[in-house]
Amino acid sequence: SYVLTQPPSVSVAPGQTARITCGGNNIGSKSVHWYQQKPGQAPVLVVYDDSDRPSGIPERFSGSNSGNTATLTISRVEAGDEADYYCQVWDSSSDHRGVFGGGTKLTVL
Amino acid sequence: QITLKESGPTLVKPTQTLTLTCTFSGFSLSTSGVGVGWIRQPPGKALEWLALIYWDDDKRYSPSLKSRLTITKDTSKNQVVLTMTNMDPVDTATYYCAHRPDTAMVTNWFDPWGQGTLVTVSS
Repeated sequence: SYVLTQPPSVSVAPGQTARITCGGNNIGSKSVHWYQQKPGQAPVLVVYDDSDRPSGIPERFSGSNSGNTATLTISRVEAGDEADYYCQVWDSSSDHRGVFGGGTKLTVL
Repeated sequence: QITLKESGPTLVKPTQTLTLTCTFSGFSLSTSGVGVGWIRQPPGKALEWLALIYWDDDKRYSPSLKSRLTITKDTSKNQVVLTMTNMDPVDTATYYCAHRPDTAMVTNWFDPWGQGTLVTVSS
């Protein structure tokens, strides 16, 4: 089964750049989607198809995907960006299933 | 504006069957490419994808839970129902339904999500 690996936590000072990685075997061949989840709230899509942003998501959120690693980059981090972030792919190799990473807690120092 | 809302029991006993309903507005499940998925999250843990139903009634299930899950749709009522049999305390989680946009079929993402409903499994 396909596995996505995320670091449990990332810390960054306000105004700096946060990079959250999502590792998977040849993940560059898949489309990666990213969700932000604040405490007590439902997840919100912040990046889809590796690097596209839904309407209403700030340009500070961007994504990239190559090789075995996809990355969510948050520029000029704000206190309000503190949340859990999850990557997700659709694994069509065998059972056609959704796969989520284990999540990364972003702490704004 | 697309909205979804989950409903169902908050407490079920071990071995019982859980039935959850997702009632949505702002889109139709008869529109080509559209779908509705279910995702759950145990307290303090990560998201876990469960099932997805497409506009054409094609269905996909998590391989690890496939024998226990059934997803159906009622297009006229704008509802999707998920049933999970033989519930166990480890199934305690917040269950979310979410909209699958009408995009290319090679991938699936979910936007937006319902608010979620916490289901506790306990005797």
